[in-house]
Amino acid sequence: DTGVSQNPRHKITKRGQNVTFRCDPISEHNRLYWYRQTLGQGPEFLTYFQNEAQLEKSRLLSDRFSAERPKGSFSTLEIQRTEQGDSAMYLCASSPHRPAASHYEQYFGPGTRLTVT
Amino acid sequence: AQRVTQPEKLLSVFKGAPVELKCNYSYSGSPELFWYVQYSRQRLQLLLRHISRESIKGFTADLNKGETSFHLKKPFAQEEDSAMYYCALSGVGAQKLVFGQGTRLTINP
Repeated sequence: DTGVSQNPRHKITKRGQNVTFRCDPISEHNRLYWYRQTLGQGPEFLTYFQNEAQLEKSRLLSDRFSAERPKGSFSTLEIQRTEQGDSAMYLCASSPHRPAASHYEQYFGPGTRLTVT
Repeated sequence: AQRVTQPEKLLSVFKGAPVELKCNYSYSGSPELFWYVQYSRQRLQLLLRHISRESIKGFTADLNKGETSFHLKKPFAQEEDSAMYYCALSGVGAQKLVFGQGTRLTINP
C-alpha cells in the first residue's frame, strides 16, 4: 500500500457534463475526506465518511455534488452538470479512527485536477 | 466561525537565515493547530501539530492562545525547506481541517 490514490489525476470536461472521481484510502483507515482546492487558496473541506457513513457535508457541497463510500473502502465524488467554477483540484485524504482520540493525521492523495471548459 | 489567516502569500529568505511563517486563527473554543507542507511535485503532508510539541526538520511552532497565533519558525533555513506551507485547525470533536491560504517559502542560496 503506497498511500492514498486518486483517479484520474487530470480530467478535462465540457460545461454541463457529469464527472466522477475515485479515491482509494490507505487500507486500514476508516475515515475518508474530500477537499477542494482552487488556485491560490488552501484546501476547503467538502465532506467526510467514517466507514460507509457520510458524517458531515460542507455547504460548499451543492446538490450537484454527491459522494459515496458504499463498502467503507473506496469513495467516489460525482459532479453533475459541471460549471466552470467547479474547476479545481479535488483532494482526498484518509485517517485512522480510534475512540477518545482527538484528531489523527490526515494522509492526502495526489489530487484530481478538474478543468471545465 | 473558524478561520485561519496566513498573511504572507510569498516569503523569501536566504539560506542560513531565520524563517518565520505567520499563522493566526479564529475559533471560539480550543482548537488543534497543524502545519502541513507541500514540496514540489509531492502531496500535502503533515509537518507538525501543536499537541506534539516536537521539532520536525528543525521547525517548531508554539500555540499562543492570547494572540491566537501558531507561527512556524526555524532558526537556520535550508534550501530543501522551499515549499508551500499551510496552517490548519481542527475544532474540538471535529474532524475536518480548516486551512489557511498558504505561504510559498523560497530559500535562496
